[in-house]
Order: sequence, then C-alpha cells, then structure tokens
Amino acid sequence: DSGVTQTPKHLITATGQRVTLRCSPRSGDLSVYWYQQSLDQGLQFLIQYYNGEERAKGNILERFSAQQFPDLHSELNLSSLELGDSALYFCASSVGRRGATGELFFGEGSRLTVL
Amino acid sequence: GESVGLHLPTLSVQEGDNSIINCAYSNSASDYFIWYKQESGKGPQFIIDIRSNMDKRQGQRVTVLLNKTVKHLSLQIAATQPGDSAVYFCAENKGGNTDKLIFGTGTRLQVFP
Repeated sequence: DSGVTQTPKHLITATGQRVTLRCSPRSGDLSVYWYQQSLDQGLQFLIQYYNGEERAKGNILERFSAQQFPDLHSELNLSSLELGDSALYFCASSVGRRGATGELFFGEGSRLTVL
Repeated sequence: GESVGLHLPTLSVQEGDNSIINCAYSNSASDYFIWYKQESGKGPQFIIDIRSNMDKRQGQRVTVLLNKTVKHLSLQIAATQPGDSAVYFCAENKGGNTDKLIFGTGTRLQVFP
C-alpha cells in the first residue's frame, strides 16, 4: 500500500459527459501528480500541483483541469469526454521540495471507460 | 522533445535466469532515474533509483546501471522469478523546479518455468 488513495476505482460514462477523479496523497506529501495511461502504453504526465499551486504542466488537454485543495487532496476534472479518453488515470505524490528529486508514490488508479 | 524509450517491448526469460531490461534516454540534463514495476491492474511500484553522479546501484536481486556517455540505463534482475512478471518502466527527472518523472513506454517481462 503506497498510501495514495484514488476514487473511484472504476467509472463508466458516456461521450460528452464530465467526471471528477479524486486523489488523497500520502500523509505529509505536498506534491500531487496526475498521469494518464492508455491501453498498453506508458504513463503520460498531465499535471503537478505543489501545496495548492500548479508547478508543472504536461500534455493535458484543455477539456481537462485539476486542482489541489488546502487539505492537499486533488481532483482531476475531465469534461466533454471522448472515446479516446478511456484510460487509467494515476495519481502520485511526493514530498515535492523544490529541487529535490525522488520516488513518486502511485495510487492504484481510476479506470475510466467512455462509451 | 522529452523522451525516454525502451529497446524491447517484451522480454521472455526462464525462471532462474537473469533478466536485463534496457532503456535509452534523450536528455543529458537528467539527473535522476528510476525503475518502476507495474503488475496488471495495479499502480507502478518503486524498484530502484540512481542519481547521475553514480553509474551503478544495487538492491535486493536488482541492479541499475547508468551509462551517461551513451545515455543508457539498464535494470538487471538476478534469478528471475514468476513474481517478477510485470511491465517495467524507466523514468527520468531533469531536476530544476519540478520533480515530475517522464516515463518510457515500458517493457513486459514474461517469466516461464
């Protein structure tokens, strides 16, 4: 158990809909990262938050947005969903001190299926 | 652009043999590298990491080698076991303002008896 909690584990929805994925980081971790993993693909970095503020942005679509709340949990919002958005969405956390690199701790993922 | 790639998408080894998974990275400024293991339906799990000021690091049954000259990273697993069957990802971090990791596409390791 990494200590990172993601909900829901599975989600099935229709095209055009909007969903929200939730992540609770490990206790004490200030950084949260979101990654997307399509079938048999690697993990594509979407976005990172540190202590409530956006720190880095990757290949995140304009239809997607995220935020990190004062209690450090994070939400990833996916709107106007398309079939191609079906994927596993992983959240990870780390201490995230500026200039410090180290292991990211991953949750078990949220599997999104768009029909 | 940023990329970390793997030479082989699938590696099949016999139980008890040693496995070597290779990874090429493109950014010479990267200062931290990490290997993750992902089992089916689970999130990536840390295996071992290495910083750019080192060329070798050993863990329990695993060794990571870093060759900065040719920008190559490898993961060696000794006495491969059925439980080692998974997808293995290498990832890199360039340092600076963010500690985000850039992942490669992954190598599937299959262990047969």
